[in-house]
Amino acid sequence: DSGVTQTPKHLITATGQRVTLRCSPRSGDLSVYWYQQSLDQGLQFLIHYYNGEERAKGNILERFSAQQFPDLHSELNLSSLELGDSALYFCASSRTKAGLSYNEQFFGPGTRLTVL
Amino acid sequence: SQQGEEDPQALSIQEGENATMNCSYKTSINNLQWYRQNSGRGLVHLILIRSNEREKHSGRLRVTLDTSKKSSSLLITASRAADTASYFCATFRNSGNTPLVFGKGTRLSVIA
Repeated sequence: DSGVTQTPKHLITATGQRVTLRCSPRSGDLSVYWYQQSLDQGLQFLIHYYNGEERAKGNILERFSAQQFPDLHSELNLSSLELGDSALYFCASSRTKAGLSYNEQFFGPGTRLTVL
Repeated sequence: SQQGEEDPQALSIQEGENATMNCSYKTSINNLQWYRQNSGRGLVHLILIRSNEREKHSGRLRVTLDTSKKSSSLLITASRAADTASYFCATFRNSGNTPLVFGKGTRLSVIA
């Protein structure tokens, strides 16, 4: 158990819908990262938050947005869903400061999103 | 584009054999990390090697780093069925708020 929790574990929805994925980092970790993993694209970095502030953006679509709250949990919002958004979505946390990911990242169990 | 590229894409060996996976990357790095992922589950950090290190050991794992060739290898000795998983390398660059960049992984199957 990494100490990172994600809810829900599975999500099945229809095209055009909007969903919210939730992540709670390990106790004491200020950085939260979101990743998308699909069969053909591998593990893609989406976005990084540090202590409530956005620090880095990767291949995140405009239909997707995220935020990190004062209690450090984070939410990833996916809207106008398309079939191609079906994937595993992971969040990870680390103790290091923004931009200094020297140390390991601890991954949550992921949310499997299926868009029908 | 992916910074790290693992090779081979898939590897199948017998229990007790050694497994070697390679990772190549394109730009200068601060460190390189290896992660393991069991099917459909979260990634687990295995080992981190810094750019000024050449070799590192952790239990049955041995990692090497050749910055002149921009490559790393992960060796798992005396493999076990429980080592069956996907293995990813991830690189951290020197500058800016750049995140870890993961390769597409090597899928290792250890047959009992």
